[in-house]
Amino acid sequence: DAGITQSPRHKVTETGTPVTLRCHQTENHRYMYWYRQDPGHGLRLIHYSYGVKDTDKGEVSDGYSVSRSKTEDFLLTLESATSSQTSVYFCAISDRDYGYTFGSGTRLTVV
Amino acid sequence: KDQVFQPSTVASSEGAVVEIFCNHSVSNAYNFFWYLHFPGCAPRLLVKGSKPSQQGRYNMTYERFSSSLLILQVREADAAVYYCACSGGFQKLVFGTGTRLLVSP
Repeated sequence: DAGITQSPRHKVTETGTPVTLRCHQTENHRYMYWYRQDPGHGLRLIHYSYGVKDTDKGEVSDGYSVSRSKTEDFLLTLESATSSQTSVYFCAISDRDYGYTFGSGTRLTVV
Repeated sequence: KDQVFQPSTVASSEGAVVEIFCNHSVSNAYNFFWYLHFPGCAPRLLVKGSKPSQQGRYNMTYERFSSSLLILQVREADAAVYYCACSGGFQKLVFGTGTRLLVSP
Protein backbone atom coordinates (compact mmCIF):
# COMPACT_ATOMS: atom_id res chain seq x y z
CA ASP A 1 0.00 0.00 0.00
CA ALA A 2 0.98 3.62 -0.51
CA GLY A 3 2.45 5.46 2.43
CA ILE A 4 -0.50 7.01 4.16
CA THR A 5 -1.11 6.87 7.88
CA GLN A 6 -3.82 8.29 10.09
CA SER A 7 -3.54 9.09 13.75
CA PRO A 8 -4.98 8.35 16.15
CA ARG A 9 -6.71 5.12 15.09
CA HIS A 10 -9.28 5.42 17.87
CA LYS A 11 -10.35 8.34 20.00
CA VAL A 12 -13.06 9.00 22.55
CA THR A 13 -13.70 12.62 23.40
CA GLU A 14 -16.26 14.68 25.25
CA THR A 15 -18.84 16.94 23.69
CA GLY A 16 -17.57 20.47 23.26
CA THR A 17 -13.88 19.67 23.14
CA PRO A 18 -11.69 20.36 20.10
CA VAL A 19 -10.24 17.36 18.32
CA THR A 20 -7.55 17.14 15.64
CA LEU A 21 -7.02 14.16 13.39
CA ARG A 22 -3.84 13.79 11.40
CA CYS A 23 -3.18 12.34 7.97
CA HIS A 24 0.41 11.82 6.88
CA GLN A 25 1.61 10.71 3.44
CA THR A 26 5.01 9.81 2.07
CA GLU A 27 3.95 9.71 -1.60
CA ASN A 28 4.27 13.43 -2.37
CA HIS A 29 0.74 13.41 -3.84
CA ARG A 30 -0.79 16.79 -4.48
CA TYR A 31 -4.37 15.99 -3.50
CA MET A 32 -5.56 14.99 -0.04
CA TYR A 33 -9.08 14.42 1.25
CA TRP A 34 -11.03 13.84 4.43
CA TYR A 35 -14.16 11.70 4.30
CA ARG A 36 -16.49 10.47 6.97
CA GLN A 37 -18.20 7.11 6.79
CA ASP A 38 -21.61 6.60 8.35
CA PRO A 39 -24.18 3.81 8.01
CA GLY A 40 -26.61 4.57 5.24
CA HIS A 41 -24.53 7.47 3.96
CA GLY A 42 -21.40 5.82 2.65
CA LEU A 43 -18.36 8.04 2.27
CA ARG A 44 -18.99 11.78 2.30
CA LEU A 45 -16.39 14.42 1.56
CA ILE A 46 -15.64 16.85 4.39
CA HIS A 47 -12.74 18.91 3.02
CA TYR A 48 -10.02 18.45 0.46
CA SER A 49 -6.70 20.00 -0.44
CA TYR A 50 -5.12 20.57 -3.84
CA GLY A 51 -1.80 21.85 -2.55
CA VAL A 52 -0.03 23.39 0.41
CA LYS A 53 -2.36 25.96 1.99
CA ASP A 54 -4.95 25.29 -0.74
CA THR A 55 -8.10 23.74 0.67
CA ASP A 56 -11.79 23.74 -0.05
CA LYS A 57 -15.04 22.53 1.45
CA GLY A 58 -16.78 19.31 0.63
CA GLU A 59 -20.33 18.14 1.08
CA VAL A 60 -20.39 18.00 4.91
CA SER A 61 -17.92 20.65 6.06
CA ASP A 62 -19.92 22.36 8.83
CA GLY A 63 -18.17 22.04 12.18
CA TYR A 64 -14.85 21.03 10.61
CA SER A 65 -11.73 22.90 9.56
CA VAL A 66 -8.54 21.72 7.89
CA SER A 67 -4.99 22.82 7.44
CA ARG A 68 -2.19 21.80 5.16
CA SER A 69 1.09 23.54 5.90
CA LYS A 70 3.24 20.79 4.36
CA THR A 71 2.66 18.50 1.39
CA GLU A 72 2.75 15.43 3.59
CA ASP A 73 0.33 16.46 6.35
CA PHE A 74 -3.39 17.21 6.25
CA LEU A 75 -5.06 17.97 9.57
CA LEU A 76 -8.78 17.80 10.29
CA THR A 77 -10.05 19.73 13.30
CA LEU A 78 -13.42 19.45 14.94
CA GLU A 79 -13.81 22.87 16.51
CA SER A 80 -16.21 21.74 19.24
CA ALA A 81 -17.07 18.08 18.97
CA THR A 82 -20.72 17.00 18.94
CA SER A 83 -22.30 13.57 19.13
CA SER A 84 -23.30 13.87 15.46
CA GLN A 85 -19.60 13.83 14.62
CA THR A 86 -19.19 10.33 15.97
CA SER A 87 -18.02 8.52 12.87
CA VAL A 88 -15.17 6.80 11.11
CA TYR A 89 -12.93 9.29 9.36
CA PHE A 90 -10.88 8.36 6.33
CA CYS A 91 -8.08 10.28 4.74
CA ALA A 92 -7.24 9.70 1.08
CA ILE A 93 -4.52 10.83 -1.29
CA SER A 94 -4.55 11.11 -5.05
CA ASP A 95 -2.34 11.86 -7.97
CA ARG A 96 -3.47 12.92 -11.43
CA ASP A 97 -5.22 9.72 -12.42
CA TYR A 98 -7.99 10.19 -9.82
CA GLY A 99 -7.38 6.86 -8.13
CA TYR A 100 -7.57 7.38 -4.39
CA THR A 101 -5.48 5.58 -1.82
CA PHE A 102 -7.09 5.51 1.58
CA GLY A 103 -5.73 5.41 5.07
CA SER A 104 -7.02 2.84 7.56
CA GLY A 105 -9.36 5.28 9.25
CA THR A 106 -9.88 6.91 12.63
CA ARG A 107 -12.83 5.82 14.73
CA LEU A 108 -14.00 8.85 16.70
CA THR A 109 -16.58 8.63 19.46
CA VAL A 110 -18.00 11.79 21.00
CA VAL A 111 -19.68 11.20 24.37
CA LYS B 1 -27.10 17.33 -6.65
CA ASP B 2 -24.31 14.96 -7.66
CA GLN B 3 -25.21 11.49 -6.48
CA VAL B 4 -24.19 7.88 -6.98
CA PHE B 5 -26.74 5.12 -6.49
CA GLN B 6 -26.15 1.49 -5.64
CA PRO B 7 -28.15 -1.22 -3.84
CA SER B 8 -27.67 -1.50 -0.09
CA THR B 9 -27.34 -5.29 -0.11
CA VAL B 10 -26.63 -8.04 -2.62
CA ALA B 11 -26.73 -11.73 -1.73
CA SER B 12 -25.03 -14.57 -3.54
CA SER B 13 -23.86 -18.15 -3.17
CA GLU B 14 -20.29 -19.33 -3.25
CA GLY B 15 -19.00 -20.01 -6.75
CA ALA B 16 -21.55 -17.81 -8.49
CA VAL B 17 -21.00 -14.62 -10.47
CA VAL B 18 -22.36 -11.68 -8.52
CA GLU B 19 -23.26 -8.33 -10.05
CA ILE B 20 -23.40 -5.02 -8.20
CA PHE B 21 -25.03 -2.24 -10.19
CA CYS B 22 -24.32 1.47 -9.92
CA ASN B 23 -25.61 4.56 -11.66
CA HIS B 24 -25.02 8.25 -11.16
CA SER B 25 -26.20 11.80 -11.68
CA VAL B 26 -22.76 13.40 -11.35
CA SER B 27 -22.16 16.29 -13.71
CA ASN B 28 -19.40 15.70 -16.25
CA ALA B 29 -18.44 12.35 -14.77
CA TYR B 30 -16.90 9.86 -17.16
CA ASN B 31 -14.99 7.46 -14.95
CA PHE B 32 -16.19 4.84 -12.52
CA PHE B 33 -14.23 3.51 -9.58
CA TRP B 34 -15.00 0.41 -7.56
CA TYR B 35 -13.65 0.01 -4.04
CA LEU B 36 -13.67 -2.90 -1.61
CA HIS B 37 -13.94 -2.21 2.10
CA PHE B 38 -13.48 -4.57 5.00
CA PRO B 39 -14.36 -3.01 8.40
CA GLY B 40 -11.31 -1.68 10.19
CA CYS B 41 -9.25 -1.55 7.01
CA ALA B 42 -8.57 0.99 4.30
CA PRO B 43 -10.93 0.89 1.32
CA ARG B 44 -9.03 -0.62 -1.61
CA LEU B 45 -9.39 0.24 -5.28
CA LEU B 46 -10.45 -2.79 -7.33
CA VAL B 47 -11.00 -1.48 -10.82
CA LYS B 48 -11.56 1.87 -12.52
CA GLY B 49 -12.04 3.46 -15.89
CA SER B 50 -14.21 4.83 -18.65
CA LYS B 51 -14.47 1.56 -20.53
CA PRO B 52 -15.07 -2.08 -19.63
CA SER B 53 -12.10 -3.52 -17.77
CA GLN B 54 -10.97 -6.52 -15.75
CA GLN B 55 -8.63 -7.03 -12.84
CA GLY B 56 -8.37 -10.67 -11.84
CA ARG B 57 -11.83 -11.85 -10.71
CA TYR B 58 -13.26 -8.35 -10.95
CA ASN B 59 -14.93 -7.13 -14.13
CA MET B 60 -16.29 -3.68 -14.63
CA THR B 61 -18.94 -2.88 -17.22
CA TYR B 62 -19.33 0.63 -18.48
CA GLU B 63 -22.07 2.83 -19.82
CA ARG B 64 -22.04 6.62 -19.74
CA PHE B 65 -24.24 6.78 -16.60
CA SER B 66 -23.99 3.31 -15.16
CA SER B 67 -21.55 0.55 -14.34
CA SER B 68 -21.65 -2.91 -12.85
CA LEU B 69 -19.02 -4.72 -10.86
CA LEU B 70 -19.00 -8.44 -11.54
CA ILE B 71 -17.18 -10.72 -9.16
CA LEU B 72 -16.39 -14.11 -10.65
CA GLN B 73 -16.44 -17.29 -8.57
CA VAL B 74 -17.45 -15.42 -5.46
CA ARG B 75 -16.13 -16.72 -2.13
CA GLU B 76 -17.22 -16.26 1.47
CA ALA B 77 -14.09 -14.13 1.95
CA ASP B 78 -15.51 -11.64 -0.57
CA ALA B 79 -18.24 -10.66 1.89
CA ALA B 80 -17.60 -6.96 2.46
CA VAL B 81 -18.86 -3.53 1.44
CA TYR B 82 -18.31 -2.43 -2.15
CA TYR B 83 -18.33 1.24 -3.04
CA CYS B 84 -18.99 2.70 -6.44
CA ALA B 85 -17.66 6.20 -7.13
CA CYS B 86 -17.57 8.68 -9.99
CA SER B 87 -15.17 11.50 -10.64
CA GLY B 88 -17.01 14.73 -9.89
CA GLY B 89 -14.45 17.17 -11.16
CA PHE B 90 -11.38 18.75 -9.56
CA GLN B 91 -10.03 15.35 -8.63
CA LYS B 92 -13.00 14.71 -6.33
CA LEU B 93 -14.80 11.39 -6.15
CA VAL B 94 -18.48 11.12 -5.30
CA PHE B 95 -19.22 7.82 -3.56
CA GLY B 96 -22.35 5.77 -3.35
CA THR B 97 -23.67 4.58 -0.02
CA GLY B 98 -22.02 1.19 -0.42
CA THR B 99 -23.33 -2.31 -1.16
CA ARG B 100 -22.97 -5.02 1.45
CA LEU B 101 -22.26 -8.34 -0.24
CA LEU B 102 -23.56 -11.41 1.55
CA VAL B 103 -22.16 -14.78 0.49
CA SER B 104 -23.70 -18.04 1.59
CA PRO B 105 -21.83 -21.35 1.45
